[in-house]
Amino acid sequence: KAGVTQTPRYLIKTRGQQVTLSCSPISGHRSVSWYQQTPGQGLQFLFEYFSETQRNKGNFPGRFSGRQFSNSRSEMNVSTLELGDSALYLCASSLASGLSGEKLFFGSGTQLSVL
Amino acid sequence: TQLLEQSPQFLSIQEGENLTVYCNSSSVFSSLQWYRQEPGEGPVLLVTVVTGGEVKKLKRLTFQFGDARKDSSLHITAAQPGDTGLYLCAGAQDYQLIWGAGTKLIIKP
Repeated sequence: KAGVTQTPRYLIKTRGQQVTLSCSPISGHRSVSWYQQTPGQGLQFLFEYFSETQRNKGNFPGRFSGRQFSNSRSEMNVSTLELGDSALYLCASSLASGLSGEKLFFGSGTQLSVL
Repeated sequence: TQLLEQSPQFLSIQEGENLTVYCNSSSVFSSLQWYRQEPGEGPVLLVTVVTGGEVKKLKRLTFQFGDARKDSSLHITAAQPGDTGLYLCAGAQDYQLIWGAGTKLIIKP
């Protein structure tokens, strides 16, 4: 069974640009959660999608958005990039909601650098 | 703001030593998970504890959930270089998953 696939693996952008990250969950998983990870900050929850609906959202500005398609694949978009957006962005899939203690399966992440 | 505090933040020890990592909160969790993350990869679930006082063992790793379900510990016996990584705890509460900042563990051969 294929794991969670995130693309691209690395990305370099400049301030003011926008970026779209992609996540393909494990087959059969309907929940996709997105996290931002920076050194020393742990994982900061961005949002969770289940069956194409955003079920929960973390405390991030509106520049961060996402969506989920009918095949459960998900994308997140960050507009007007800032230097502080440099981070590892992780996607996790699960059978049910990832916020209820369900086992999360993480992708390898997209390392975003904003110059 | 609910917090899940992990300690220590960083630990570097010699192969063969024992160690304990702690995850503490003032909040009660319905369950608590421990993940390990290696450089360049996403976190991988090690264990989920659900019942207060529960102890689970995974080879040389022993996980314990506090009686009041507010804290947890991870004990590694005879640490190996392969145990090196970032250990993260995450507590489930009221449809939220609260994450600790992690313990970076380095086991030197």
